Amino acid sequence: NAGVIQTPRHKVTGKGQEATLWCEPISGHSAVFWYRQTIVQGLEFLTYFRNQAPIDDSGMPKERFSAQMPNQSHSTLKIQSTQPQDSAVYLCASSFPSEVFFGKGTRLTVV
Amino acid sequence: QQQVRQSPQSLTVWEGETAILNCSYEDSTFDYFPWYHQFPGESPALLIAIRPVSNKKEDGRFTIFFNKREKKFSLHIADSQPGDSATYFCAADSGGSNAKLTFGKGTKLSVKS
Repeated sequence: NAGVIQTPRHKVTGKGQEATLWCEPISGHSAVFWYRQTIVQGLEFLTYFRNQAPIDDSGMPKERFSAQMPNQSHSTLKIQSTQPQDSAVYLCASSFPSEVFFGKGTRLTVV
Repeated sequence: QQQVRQSPQSLTVWEGETAILNCSYEDSTFDYFPWYHQFPGESPALLIAIRPVSNKKEDGRFTIFFNKREKKFSLHIADSQPGDSATYFCAADSGGSNAKLTFGKGTKLSVKS
């Protein structure tokens, strides 16, 4: 069990560019979550899927952020027109049933 | 809306002392309360969790005390060790099939030897 795998581990984008973050959940886990972590805001919930279906995206900035889970083995978080305030560690997690396991995160830096 | 409040923001204790980390919540539907720890450069990992059917959960040196009436819960780390130095997050969710964790802002614990 390799755990939740996130790629890339680090990404630097220029302001206004698009960033796509990838997540491979633990096999057999039915729920996949995306969180964002910053020093100021801490751990913020973004969105989550259960059995590939979007359940709750209440934490997603609606205009530029989108998430998909096209199959049970991966999910993507896409940020369009990145802004400096999007700089953060983006954490993907999966769970079955209640315990949540986090990936190592993608550190996004927008310059 | 901050639904889970955590204090203190940082805490320093000496080796062997008991560290006490506190959290409170607002949403009465919350029924699962885990604590995560995070070491520098690592992702959060589950440490211990409680459901409100009980008011205490122990796992080795780690104990959660839960007060449903006051909507508070705390993590006690007995005989603190330098290796316990990390950031600790409390969290809560309402369980069920649509569970999602709401985290506190974390307590940075330093254990001095």
